[in-house]
Amino acid sequence: AQSVAQPEDQVNVAEGNPLTVKCTYSVSGNPYLFWYVQYPNRGLQFLLKYITGDNLVKGSYGFEAEFNKSQTSFHLKKPSALVSDSALYFCAVRTTGGSYIPTFGRGTSLIVHP
Amino acid sequence: DVKVTQSSRYLVKRTGEKVFLECVQDMDHENMFWYRQDPGLGLRLIYFSYDVKMKEKGDIPEGYSVSREKKERFSLILESASTNQTSMYLCASSSPRVSAEQFFGPGTRLTVL
Repeated sequence: AQSVAQPEDQVNVAEGNPLTVKCTYSVSGNPYLFWYVQYPNRGLQFLLKYITGDNLVKGSYGFEAEFNKSQTSFHLKKPSALVSDSALYFCAVRTTGGSYIPTFGRGTSLIVHP
Repeated sequence: DVKVTQSSRYLVKRTGEKVFLECVQDMDHENMFWYRQDPGLGLRLIYFSYDVKMKEKGDIPEGYSVSREKKERFSLILESASTNQTSMYLCASSSPRVSAEQFFGPGTRLTVL
């Protein structure tokens, strides 16, 4: 079985400050980890993914994520938040030897204050 | 630019009506998915298809059926719409590689009165 937890329903950050959106996972095989962003009344857009190799993954719009195997985490980060980053963020996991079906977290609402 | 399109952005239907939600992708993907999204519940998988005419139930298939007659098209059918099916419906597609990301459509916000 595989699962994803996003422990924060909402994250508030001031514009220009660094942001972190947390994600932890549980899988029985090797994980493939994904972050998606959803703007209001839109579908999800892919941001970045971890497959293997370098633990720091860079993605779209200046976002990056750090894979930590020992802590089973894949936190999304950005050095300097923008008001336009305000959106809903989803973490997802697939695993080697598992099904085609990814498991999503419940989502974290990021609010960046001017 | 790769695309997943959904037939309607907003839809209003009456209780008991049969409702068809259409999804088309232009990436030649084998895998297609239907999710519903409700506040506080995240994304819940309704049905999944890994090939033409092939389907698997997801977490919440009750009250829904699907059809995949062509590779690019995956339809979600509400046999008899009920008010508790008012929701945002999202379609997605992906290649079968386990490392592949999903591509999502813009969503259909369905209201059942």
